[in-house]
Amino acid sequence: EVQVVESGGGLVRPGGSLRLSCVVSGFIFSSTDFHWVRQPTGKGLEWVSGVSTVAHTYYADSVRGRFTISRENAKSSLYLQMNSLRGEDTAVYYCAGGVNGWVYWGQGTLVTVSS
Amino acid sequence: QSVLTQPPSASGTPGQRVTISCSGSSSNIGSDHLYWYQHLPGTAPKLLIDANNQRPSGVPDRFSGSKSGTSASLAISGLRSDDEADYYCAAWDGRLRGHVFGTGTKVTVL
Repeated sequence: EVQVVESGGGLVRPGGSLRLSCVVSGFIFSSTDFHWVRQPTGKGLEWVSGVSTVAHTYYADSVRGRFTISRENAKSSLYLQMNSLRGEDTAVYYCAGGVNGWVYWGQGTLVTVSS
Repeated sequence: QSVLTQPPSASGTPGQRVTISCSGSSSNIGSDHLYWYQHLPGTAPKLLIDANNQRPSGVPDRFSGSKSGTSASLAISGLRSDDEADYYCAAWDGRLRGHVFGTGTKVTVL
């Protein structure tokens, strides 16, 4: 059974930093791209960032220059370093991946940016 | 503001067929794969239709997807109460160099 578990969310002040982690088990993590997707309260899903199997990285315009995605295949882990956080970054952050579509998702971790 | 447009809501009675549209452009739907996800708030989203317009294992054949040009649609036949959820289309956008989700459609079973 594939398990995807995010961690690292919490309350942070505007301008602060947070690092999210995602650990995947039951699946060959290195074999597929992985992504971060977020959902602000009461709003829709928004793709945030992705990293390919060869570590090419992609970012939404709203986070480019502030967020950094990385992966550590030896630990089957995905990370999202979030700097210069803003109120509009408040959301549940999901880790997602899979071949031919994102079939593997975690339950999400809540990030709240507030003073 | 998303580049993929969906109606905000759709509804039907049990057993009916409901169709959800997704409108994009040549840089996303018109040139790449289109995916559909089901999401109940507070839970993990679920892939319904994959890159090959197929249903992943475990997704009932009541769900079907189609695409034509820069538009796509998801059909749910034999509507059930547990189909009440938010539905999102998604695609890679070559102009934005990133993935995009649709605006989302809330399906209500009357």
